[in-house]
Amino acid sequence: DSGVTQTPKHLITATGQRVTLRCSPRSGDLSVYWYQQSLDQGLQFLIQYYNGEERAKGNILERFSAQQFPDLHSELNLSSLELGDSALYFCASSVGGAPTNEKLFFGSGTQLSVL
Amino acid sequence: AQSVTQLDSHVSVSEGTPVLLRCNYSSSYSPSLFWYVQHPNKGLQLLLKYTSAATLVKGINGFEAEFKKSETSFHLTKPSAHMSDAAEYFCVVSDRGFGNEKLTFGTGTRLTIIP
Repeated sequence: DSGVTQTPKHLITATGQRVTLRCSPRSGDLSVYWYQQSLDQGLQFLIQYYNGEERAKGNILERFSAQQFPDLHSELNLSSLELGDSALYFCASSVGGAPTNEKLFFGSGTQLSVL
Repeated sequence: AQSVTQLDSHVSVSEGTPVLLRCNYSSSYSPSLFWYVQHPNKGLQLLLKYTSAATLVKGINGFEAEFKKSETSFHLTKPSAHMSDAAEYFCVVSDRGFGNEKLTFGTGTRLTIIP
């Protein structure tokens, strides 16, 4: 068990809808990272927050947004969903803000299916 | 720009024989390199990381990797495969540049262990 909690584990929704994925980092970790894993794109970095502030941005679509709250949990909001958004979404956490120097701890992921 | 290429999408070895998972990298700066493992229905777990100290890096579960700058490679090896090693393995690079540090994942190598 990595100590990173993601909810829900599975999510089934329809095109055009909006969903929210939640992540609770390990106790004491200040950084939260979001990744998308799909068969055709592999594991893609979306965005990182450190202590409530956006730290780094990857290939995140404009329809997607995230935030990190004062208690350090994070939410990833996906809107106007398309079939291609179906993927496994991972959250990871680390103590510091520079992934180069950190060990990332990954949650078990949220499997999103858009029908 | 940084990238990694995992040369084999699938590797099969017999239990008790050596494992070699190949990874080549491209980086504008002095890179940090990692190997992560993903067991079925689990999040990713750090196996080992290279951050410009010793070029031979030892990780968990008997795995090790050697950084070869002249060959831009960071291959993962294990002397003797165990059934529990069956998983997906990801080679990861991080540019230690200025700002917006992020990890770039390879496409993964699925390791199958033959009893």
